[in-house]
Amino acid sequence: DSGVTQTPKHLITATGQRVTLRCSPRSGDLSVYWYQQSLDQGLQFLIQYYNGEERAKGNILERFSAQQFPDLHSELNLSSLELGDSALYFCASSVGTGKNTGELFFGEGSRLTVL
Amino acid sequence: GDSVTQMEGPVTLSEEACLTINCTYTATGYPSLFWYVQYPGEGLQLLLKATKADDKGSNKGFEATYRKETTSFHLEKGSVQVSDSAVYFCALSEFHNNNDMRFGAGTRLTVKP
Repeated sequence: DSGVTQTPKHLITATGQRVTLRCSPRSGDLSVYWYQQSLDQGLQFLIQYYNGEERAKGNILERFSAQQFPDLHSELNLSSLELGDSALYFCASSVGTGKNTGELFFGEGSRLTVL
Repeated sequence: GDSVTQMEGPVTLSEEACLTINCTYTATGYPSLFWYVQYPGEGLQLLLKATKADDKGSNKGFEATYRKETTSFHLEKGSVQVSDSAVYFCALSEFHNNNDMRFGAGTRLTVKP
């Protein structure tokens, strides 16, 4: 058990819909990362938050947004869903930027299926 | 930008065979290097890491040496088991880049009895 909790574990929805994925980081971790894992594209970095502020942005679509709340949990919002958004979405946490060598702790992921 | 390239899979081996999964990196500074493993139905978990040149990371019989001269971090195991079947990801992280973790594409390993 990594200590990172993601909900829901599975989600099935239709094209055009909007979903929210939730992540609770390990106790004490200030950084939260979101990754998308598709069958053909491996692991893609989406976005990172540190202590409530956006710190780095990767290949995140404009239809997607995220935030980190004062209690450090994070939510990833996916809107106007398309079939190609079907993937496994991982959240990871770490102690914080500049304070460690970058080790991340991953949740078990949220599997999104868009029909 | 920083990136990681690892050998494509899938890799299928018999139990007790030797394993090598190649990984090379491109970085502007001095990154830390990692191997993560993803077992079926689970999230990624850290397998081993090395933070500076010539360091050797090891865990569960797996080893990888940080080679700055060849910008490589190959994963090796002398005798694989069925339970090693998983997807293996090479990754790097640089302090000056907000510790943004860059992952390779992953290599699926299947070990047959």
